[in-house]
Amino acid sequence: AQSVTQPDIHITVSEGASLELRCNYSYGATPYLFWYVQSPGQGLQLLLKYFSGDTLVQGIKGFEAEFKRSQSSFNLRKPSVHWSDAAEYFCAVGPRIQGAQKLVFGQGTRLTINP
Amino acid sequence: NAGVTQTPKFQVLKTGQSMTLQCAQDMNHNSMYWYRQDPGMGLRLIYYSASEGTTDKGEVPNGYNVSRLNKREFSLRLESAAPSQTSVYFCASSEPLSNQPQHFGDGTRLSIL
Repeated sequence: AQSVTQPDIHITVSEGASLELRCNYSYGATPYLFWYVQSPGQGLQLLLKYFSGDTLVQGIKGFEAEFKRSQSSFNLRKPSVHWSDAAEYFCAVGPRIQGAQKLVFGQGTRLTINP
Repeated sequence: NAGVTQTPKFQVLKTGQSMTLQCAQDMNHNSMYWYRQDPGMGLRLIYYSASEGTTDKGEVPNGYNVSRLNKREFSLRLESAAPSQTSVYFCASSEPLSNQPQHFGDGTRLSIL
C-alpha cells in the first residue's frame, strides 16, 4: 500500500537554528514528491516538488529538500528558521501518470519556533 | 486573484442533516479534488474530478457525493451527516498532469453534533 510517514508530529526549534523535517514513503515506483506548508486557518501552499534530475531541489522561503531513492526519503531542510516559518508541514507523493493527481499525504509535522 | 474559493468557512450541523460544500476555482484548471483533514491523519482524498463531466472516488468516499457542475465548480454533499464527518474539508484544483501542483482553498470547518 502507498503510504507517507512523517515521524515527527511536533518539532520545536529556536529562531535562527537549522531545521530538518523527515519524510519517508512507500510506493510502487518512484513517485512525484511534494512538500506543502499550512499556516493556521489556511489552505496548503506548495513549498517545492521533485520530479526528476538533481536530487536536491530548491523551494520558496529558503527551503530545500533532498530526494534519496535508496532510503525512500525526501527530507525538508532550512539553514536558519524565522518565526514566520511556524506552521504545519506536509509531505505528499503522487503517481507519475497523466491525469488527475491522487496524492497521498503524510500526517504532518507541526513546527514551533522559540524566540 | 481569488484562486480556489470555498463556502462556507464554518458550519455546525446536527446528526442526520444534509449539507453541500461549495468550491469554485478561477484558474481554468481541469482537475478538482475534495480532501478531509483530521488531526494526526494528514489529508485524505474523498473524491476527485479529472475533468468536467467526470468524478471518481478517492480514499474515503463513503457518506459523500460530489457534483462537477462545470469547469469552475465542484461541490461536496453530505446527505445525512454523522459525527464521524466532523473535519476540515479542503478543495483543490490542478492541471491534469501529475507533475503540476494542486492549489488549495482555505477550507471549511464542519462540526456535526
